[in-house]
Amino acid sequence: DTGVSQDPRHKITKRGQNVTFRCDPISEHNRLYWYRQTLGQGPEFLTYFQNEAQLEKSRLLSDRFSAERPKGSFSTLEIQRTEQGDSAMYLCASSSQTGGPAFFGQGTRLTVV
Amino acid sequence: DAKTTQPTSMDCAEGRAANLPCNHSTISGNEYVYWYRQIHSQGPQYIIHGLKNNETNEMASLIITEDRKSSTLILPHATLRDTAVYYCIVRPAGTYKYIFGTGTRLKVLA
Repeated sequence: DTGVSQDPRHKITKRGQNVTFRCDPISEHNRLYWYRQTLGQGPEFLTYFQNEAQLEKSRLLSDRFSAERPKGSFSTLEIQRTEQGDSAMYLCASSSQTGGPAFFGQGTRLTVV
Repeated sequence: DAKTTQPTSMDCAEGRAANLPCNHSTISGNEYVYWYRQIHSQGPQYIIHGLKNNETNEMASLIITEDRKSSTLILPHATLRDTAVYYCIVRPAGTYKYIFGTGTRLKVLA
């Protein structure tokens, strides 16, 4: 499968715990995006990387959230001190620098109990 | 950024063409129209995109009006597996953010 891969697919955590999600983009894509989606809503933009540089962060990305893409390949999204309001689907997407559409992974569904 | 307006929901009979409209009256000359769909509990799936001309691929056709203020996504022979939420997105050339609305919930009926 050469699509965008996300791990884990599901995560249940207790409030206050830290969680980390991983995204492996399509191999030749240098642009990587994180989105969050809550029930009944469209995906909301969180952050964007071009290679290893994080070029934009949404106001939705509070200081408890941090994203990295250390070698310009895979990316991680960490949420510290999780809250019930963090429960959502976290989506990763990638695209090439030459233009064209972004392709999304299947997402990581986070449930904070 | 241009905003899009889509109907909240639509039904379509299986085997018929599904025509999903989208209004983007404030679109600028360098902004592309993208369509994605999302089947329950899955990530959004890219369908098609265009700038000015009509486009067709193996999944769908995209018809953009001459003034570019609206577009229609056409699924020529809808199947039950096409039941999904369809998002119309306008994205300026050279930018990277896809701003999703709430989309159109298409239900294909047997």
